[in-house]
Order: sequence, then structure tokens, then C-alpha cells
Amino acid sequence: AQSVTQPDIHITVSEGASLELRCNYSYGATPYLFWYVQSPGQGLQLLLKYFSGDTLVQGIKGFEAEFKRSQSSFNLRKPSVHWSDAAEYFCAVVPNSGGYQKVTFGTGTKLQVIP
Amino acid sequence: DAGVIQSPRHEVTEMGQEVTLRCKPISGHNSLFWYRQTMMRGLELLIYFNNNVPIDDSGMPEDRFSAKMPNASFSTLKIQPSEPRDSAVYFCASSGAEPYNEQFFGPGTRLTVL
Repeated sequence: AQSVTQPDIHITVSEGASLELRCNYSYGATPYLFWYVQSPGQGLQLLLKYFSGDTLVQGIKGFEAEFKRSQSSFNLRKPSVHWSDAAEYFCAVVPNSGGYQKVTFGTGTKLQVIP
Repeated sequence: DAGVIQSPRHEVTEMGQEVTLRCKPISGHNSLFWYRQTMMRGLELLIYFNNNVPIDDSGMPEDRFSAKMPNASFSTLKIQPSEPRDSAVYFCASSGAEPYNEQFFGPGTRLTVL
């Protein structure tokens, strides 16, 4: 069955430390891949997306993500975390099979940033 | 642009009552999505409209839920009758020409059914 997995429910990092959030998918072909961020009490905001081409994607707020076909992964990274990055992060996947396909969101990873 | 507008932001109602959630998408966007977010089930797509036409309503839980989009600038999600298990945050999102472009989310409506 097609699925997207975020194995870490909750992550705590120190301000200034590096961050990597994991996302794995299970689809027959490389899907379209997205990372969204949700701050408390707000809707989701797109950080970055991957459709094809360069496997290292740059996004907003200093985030980047790397697509690794061999690992079926699309991990989100940031070299130095700021306190304002505390939020919940969602990986999302859309099958790349033509026509309309439903977006599937992962269960989310809640990021806590400590001083 | 004001972004996606949702109303009300909070709604508390009693079981059995009708609830109507409203959404105004970003002007020029022709795709509109309704999502439901709960701790147990995460973020679920309820229904997707393209050019005001429902394309995918497979996520609508049951007949108690209905959604309409009478024009390009307005959509409603109605629950009748409401039940406590409908308590959740309901998001509306819109996007441009292709549904896989960036989706812009509204701030959500937090619904509590007592």
C-alpha cells in the first residue's frame, strides 16, 4: 500500500544545533514530495517541494531537503535551528501517475527548540 | 492578498445541531480543499473542488457531511447533525492552476461538539 512515514513524533534540539527530520514514502514510482510547517494555531505553510531534477531542494526559512531515491526518503534539514522554528512539520506526498491524485500527509513531527 | 479566509475561527455547538463552516479562497485560485485535523487521525482530505466542481469527495466521512462551492470565491462545509466525534480543526486550502502547486491554508476553524 502507498504510504508516507514520519518516524519521529517529537524531536527536541538546542537552538543553534542542526536539524534533520525524516520522511520515508512507499510508492511505485517517485511521487511529488512536499514539506509543510504548522505553527501553533495556524494552518500549514509550504517550506519546499520536489517534482524532479536536482535532488537537493532549497526552501524558505533556511530549510533544505534531499531526495534519495535509493532510500525512498525526503529528509528535511536546517544547519542552525532558531527558536522560532518550533512548530510541527509535515511531509506530504502525491503520486506521480497522471491526472488527479490525492495528497497524503504524514503524521507530523513536532519540533521543540530549547535555549 | 488576505490569504484564505475561514469563518468562524471557533465554533462550539451541541450534539445534533447543524454546523456550517465557511471559506473564501485566494482570488484567482481554482482548486479548493477541505481538510480535517485531529490528534488521532492527523490531517485528512475531506473534499477537493476544481473550478467549483467536486472532484474527489472520497474523504467525506458520511452523509452528515456536505460541501458546496457555489462560486469561485466561496465554499461551505456543513455538518448536520453534528456529533462529538466531529470535534476537530477544519482547514480550507486553495491553490492555483495545478492541484499540486503550493496549497495555501487558512487559519482553520476549531469545532467543538458537546
